[in-house]
Amino acid sequence: GENVEQHPSTLSVQEGDSAVIKCTYSDSASNYFPWYKQELGKGPQLIIDIRSNVGEKKDQRIAVTLNKTAKHFSLHITETQPEDSAVYFCAASSMKLTFGQGTILTVHP
Amino acid sequence: DAGVIQSPRHEVTEMGQEVTLRCKPISGHDYLFWYRQTMMRGLELLIYFNNNVPIDDSGMPEDRFSAKMPNASFSTLKIQPSEPRDSAVYFCASSFTLGRGEQYFGPGTRLTVT
Repeated sequence: GENVEQHPSTLSVQEGDSAVIKCTYSDSASNYFPWYKQELGKGPQLIIDIRSNVGEKKDQRIAVTLNKTAKHFSLHITETQPEDSAVYFCAASSMKLTFGQGTILTVHP
Repeated sequence: DAGVIQSPRHEVTEMGQEVTLRCKPISGHDYLFWYRQTMMRGLELLIYFNNNVPIDDSGMPEDRFSAKMPNASFSTLKIQPSEPRDSAVYFCASSFTLGRGEQYFGPGTRLTVT
């Protein structure tokens, strides 16, 4: 089955800095790669996704890159704000979603 | 739409008791998923349904766990008998498609088994 590794497990940045979270996956059949944000006491919420026919996608301060050859994808958050503080999960899917272990992002004012 | 609705939000029970978690998916979604979240194991898929039919229950930890979806607007996850190691947050999610689009998660049920 699919295996998704996510790094780092915790990330602390100053407000205004950039944050990068990286994931690798094992199943070459995976073709859909979403990123979810989970705030305390809530369920995960999709923030951006990318499909295997695209190498990069951007939505305002958030961007995702995908390297299918190397089987890795990354989330980039620019100009971080305190409200970006949350747990971020990457996932990979050919059918079912397999999630990474999560990254606790803390943005200090 | 109100989103995915789960109840109860918190459940505290004693070991050996039966626990039933409930979920109402978003209307029109054909897929329903049950996940378990723990610090040690992260987010794990337990089972998913398509059009009320269980498709893949390979993530269900053992026979003490069972899930049903009697109609398109309701699903249950039952643990009988419960054990302390079942303590976790259980999420229900629903989606239009499998593996190609957003899954909408409910707020979760935090289960504590003492």
